[in-house]
Amino acid sequence: AQSVTQPDIHITVSEGASLELRCNYSYGATPYLFWYVQSPGQGLQLLLKYFSGDTLVQGIKGFEAEFKRSQSSFNLRKPSVHWSDAAEYFCAVGAPFNNDMRFGAGTRLTVKP
Amino acid sequence: GAGVSQSPSNKVTEKGKDVELRCDPISGHTALYWYRQSLGQGLEFLIYFQGNSAPDKSGLPSDRFSAERTGGSVSTLTIQRTQQEDSAVYLCASSLLRDLNEQFFGPGTRLTVL
Repeated sequence: AQSVTQPDIHITVSEGASLELRCNYSYGATPYLFWYVQSPGQGLQLLLKYFSGDTLVQGIKGFEAEFKRSQSSFNLRKPSVHWSDAAEYFCAVGAPFNNDMRFGAGTRLTVKP
Repeated sequence: GAGVSQSPSNKVTEKGKDVELRCDPISGHTALYWYRQSLGQGLEFLIYFQGNSAPDKSGLPSDRFSAERTGGSVSTLTIQRTQQEDSAVYLCASSLLRDLNEQFFGPGTRLTVL
């Protein structure tokens, strides 16, 4: 089965600074890739997804992610972080036409004023 | 309702008791997942149902855990002889086959085992 690794358990950035959260996946073909966000006390919300085509994907809340096949990565980026972005971020990988999906352990983002 | 619902929202039980957690997926969604999220931990996959196929139970941590999905809709996760380490938030998600696998999550059930 596919798997995903998020190397950073916790990241702290200053408000207004740029952000990059790392995600590496393992899958034999082109996967479906997702980023979800879980704000404190909230459910998981989909930020963006990739399944084919343009490798740079735009999502909600100003986030984007880039699929790099050569690196088996799908890193999440935001040019300027807002205090409201403090949350837990989960990367997930799915197999095309198969609803079996695997989540990473998550990266907790803290935003300093 | 329009989204995935779970009940109860909170459950406190004593060690050794059995508990049942319920998930109502979005109508028409063929896939249903259960995950466990322990304090400070990521999402731990438990079990996955897809239509009438045999479920993928590879994530169930022990034989005290079981789940069923009746009529391809509602699912129940049962934990027998609960232990304190079972305390966690149990999340259910559903998705529509061939819809880019996007999963829609319920609010979760917070289980506390005393």
